[in-house]
Amino acid sequence: GPKVLQIPSHQIIDMGQMVTLNCDPVSNHLYFYWYKQILGQQMEFLVNFYNGKVMEKSKLFKDQFSVERPDGSYFTLKIQPTALEDSAVYFCASSLNWAETLYFGAGTRLSVL
Amino acid sequence: GQQVQQSPASLVLQEGENAELQCNFSSTATRLQWFYQRPGGSLVSLLSNPSGTKHTGRLTSTTVTKERRGSLHISSSQITDSGTYLCAMERGGGSAKLIFGEGTKLTVSS
Repeated sequence: GPKVLQIPSHQIIDMGQMVTLNCDPVSNHLYFYWYKQILGQQMEFLVNFYNGKVMEKSKLFKDQFSVERPDGSYFTLKIQPTALEDSAVYFCASSLNWAETLYFGAGTRLSVL
Repeated sequence: GQQVQQSPASLVLQEGENAELQCNFSSTATRLQWFYQRPGGSLVSLLSNPSGTKHTGRLTSTTVTKERRGSLHISSSQITDSGTYLCAMERGGGSAKLIFGEGTKLTVSS
């Protein structure tokens, strides 16, 4: 089936540093999403993105978070500065149309020390 | 409170048995999606069902939005079905946000 690739699979950084998580969505998809899953807890919505704009975001999408997809390349989630509570697995997803079936990547495990 | 509740939290089966997973949600939903999360963490979309019954392979999804419930039936379970099954609802109304349950952890043994 359609594949969403996430790079890297695991990232370890020190608190206060900046981190960028990269997502290569399904090639013809137009809508992009980030979800966060803390170990042992449920998956939670962060943000969705279309045509260069954030469409929806949750209260978990703090001011330190930003997303972009410059020139149709990777869809990125940047956290600057990171905090200990940002440690989680971040899943990227994409869909062809709004509110249609989402295809998820394998996740990036972020460890903030 | 929890908007999407899944039951049971865990389920242990012998290979070949059927599994019935439940999903209840506390507000209006336009669709339920079922995902399989591998032990390593990656998610696979299984079925997306606004209402009624849908089949794919050994999986059957039933959604009754008026009663705020859905189910996933897995027939003739296999060892490779082991993992966590997540139910997620969409509220609609212009939102594409998925609200996930905590999952049902399925273990199938020989």
